[in-house]
Amino acid sequence: QSALTQPASVSGSPGQSITISCTGTSSDVGDSNYVSWLQHHPGKAPKVVIFDVSDRPSGVSDRFSGSKSGNTASLTISGLQAEDEADYYCTSYTYSSASWVFGGGTKLTVL
Amino acid sequence: EVQLVESGGGVVKPGRSLRLSCTASGFAFGDYAMSWFRQAPGKGLEWVSFIRSKAYGGTTKYAASVKGRFTISRDDSKSIAYLQMNSLKTEDTAVYYCSTVTTTFQNWGQGTLVTVSS
Repeated sequence: QSALTQPASVSGSPGQSITISCTGTSSDVGDSNYVSWLQHHPGKAPKVVIFDVSDRPSGVSDRFSGSKSGNTASLTISGLQAEDEADYYCTSYTYSSASWVFGGGTKLTVL
Repeated sequence: EVQLVESGGGVVKPGRSLRLSCTASGFAFGDYAMSWFRQAPGKGLEWVSFIRSKAYGGTTKYAASVKGRFTISRDDSKSIAYLQMNSLKTEDTAVYYCSTVTTTFQNWGQGTLVTVSS
């Protein structure tokens, strides 16, 4: 069982927006500035789409945005495109154990 | 250009050992923490281990599923991170990825396949 809770799957039509939640505790997500979201297309190398809660690496579309409220982080993808169909994982640094915790992943399907 | 290349995967029998390498280029390897992940067939991405830079003591962390069997290490002179895998189980079958670690898992390799089968 993963430390961070994500929905197993979400779906949306092209052009729509979706949000993936990531719920942790006050010891990880709630206490961390280092929450990231990874995008993984099966068979390819994973890729960071959001880091430090809401920052976007250069080269990542501004359709991707991140936020956090309390113990829950969220990834929002607006203007869904077929290429966004992938697995998404959240991760948070936890100061108490000086290590990282992960979500179990969310499969995004673009209808 | 940052590049990470995993190698050392293959087919191995249960109970045997294997050592994976992650060869880095294009950045100051010694300044970075490194991590290993894996993805078993049909399963999600799983964090395996990470190692801090020598400046931060080179300390290591492991997932409960591999603790006591896997050992992560680094050779900064060669820009290589290793994952020594002992007492392998069939459930260790997966594609193994390495990544750099800052406040996130920034750069990734393409992975190397490990198959544990009798």
